[in-house]
Amino acid sequence: SYELTQPPSVSVSPGQTASITCSGDKLGDKYACWYQQKPGQSPVVVIYEDNKRPSGIPERFSGSNSGNTATLTISGTQAMDEADYYCQTWDSSAFYVFGPGTKVTVL
Amino acid sequence: QLQLHESGPGLVKPSETLSLTCTVSGGSISSTSYYWGWVRQPPGKGLEWIASIYYSGATYYSPSLKSRVTISSDTSKNQVSLNLSSVAAADTAVYYCARVMLAGGSNWFDPWGQGTLVTVFS
Repeated sequence: SYELTQPPSVSVSPGQTASITCSGDKLGDKYACWYQQKPGQSPVVVIYEDNKRPSGIPERFSGSNSGNTATLTISGTQAMDEADYYCQTWDSSAFYVFGPGTKVTVL
Repeated sequence: QLQLHESGPGLVKPSETLSLTCTVSGGSISSTSYYWGWVRQPPGKGLEWIASIYYSGATYYSPSLKSRVTISSDTSKNQVSLNLSSVAAADTAVYYCARVMLAGGSNWFDPWGQGTLVTVFS
């Protein structure tokens, strides 16, 4: 099986940068994507193919993936960015794998 | 604009089979560019992929659920269905239907349906 790990929580002040990590064995050899999920809502993809932003996603969201770690960065974090964030990759044996999620709190 | 709508019983008894349907509008499930999948989320917990299907009928199943899951599609109705047998309390979750985007070695879910809560309760 293939597993991804994320920190349970990240706190950030408004206007500052939040970085959320996602770790897995040789994750950099695979593609990673990130979902934002606000309470009571369905997940929304904010980054796909490591670092691409879908139409409508603010430029403050960016991604990278190298070695064993993918990172979602939120620059100039706003109160509206408070949510759970999940990373996800595709593995040839486990297929679609989600990380456990990170709760981002904007203090 | 593509929309996905999940439907099915909100309550299922232990040991019975959970059956859900995802109705897709604004696009065809027969497209060669996408898979279609199911993901679930137990209350207060994270996301878990269940199964995916391609227009050709090719299927992928979560190794941990494979023995209990069947995914199918009906192109005439533009629907994708999920059956999960021998349910237990641990299967209580919000079940989401989503389109699976394909690009080289990359796969991601976009968009998602609004989800339907299924409670296993005797």
